[in-house]
Amino acid sequence: DAGVIQSPRHEVTEMGQEVTLRCKPISGHDYLFWYRQTMMRGLELLIYFNNNVPIDDSGMPEDRFSAKMPNASFSTLKIQPSEPRDSAVYFCASSLGGLAGLEQYFGPGTRLTVT
Amino acid sequence: AQSVTQLGSHVSVSEGALVLLRCNYSSSVPPYLFWYVQYPNQGLQLLLKYTTGATLVKGINGFEAEFKKSETSFHLTKPSAHMSDAAEYFCAVSETAGGFKTIFGAGTRLFVKA
Repeated sequence: DAGVIQSPRHEVTEMGQEVTLRCKPISGHDYLFWYRQTMMRGLELLIYFNNNVPIDDSGMPEDRFSAKMPNASFSTLKIQPSEPRDSAVYFCASSLGGLAGLEQYFGPGTRLTVT
Repeated sequence: AQSVTQLGSHVSVSEGALVLLRCNYSSSVPPYLFWYVQYPNQGLQLLLKYTTGATLVKGINGFEAEFKKSETSFHLTKPSAHMSDAAEYFCAVSETAGGFKTIFGAGTRLFVKA
């Protein structure tokens, strides 16, 4: 399997612009997670899905952030409008779920820079 | 609520020396515990996990961790450090009641000196 795929790997945008990050989870995985990593705050869970349904979005920082999972093989994280403080590395991860599948498989991340 | 505390944001060891990275957790239910490693410019990858059974868990690259319920600890060790072990290490606990959310520690950066 190719693993979790994220695109783009790097994104540089100006404040106020819309940013869309994309993720393709490992085939057959029922759970998908979006994380944000910064030096100051470490690794933060933003939202996670089970069978394409959002389960917990309590980590989404503001209404400017939204996430969708239209099908089992694709998810997006959108920031509109973007702000400099959104600069971070965003990771997508997937897992099988269930007690036998708790470990998460991470994508390579998208490094977002908002100027 | 579950939480994870990693003691020491940075640890430096000499090549060939023992590696010990400390992790303590808080959980109201039997925990499921993990160690992940992150190399520069990469995502996290699983080193090892504890779910049930044997409390000494062996992982990849010669790492192991021991679950000690009485101490609420899950420290990561490796007998002999290698230069390639330099990375950031994250301890994590999974919450399975009502979902499969994982709480990550703040991470410990391991430096290995030649």
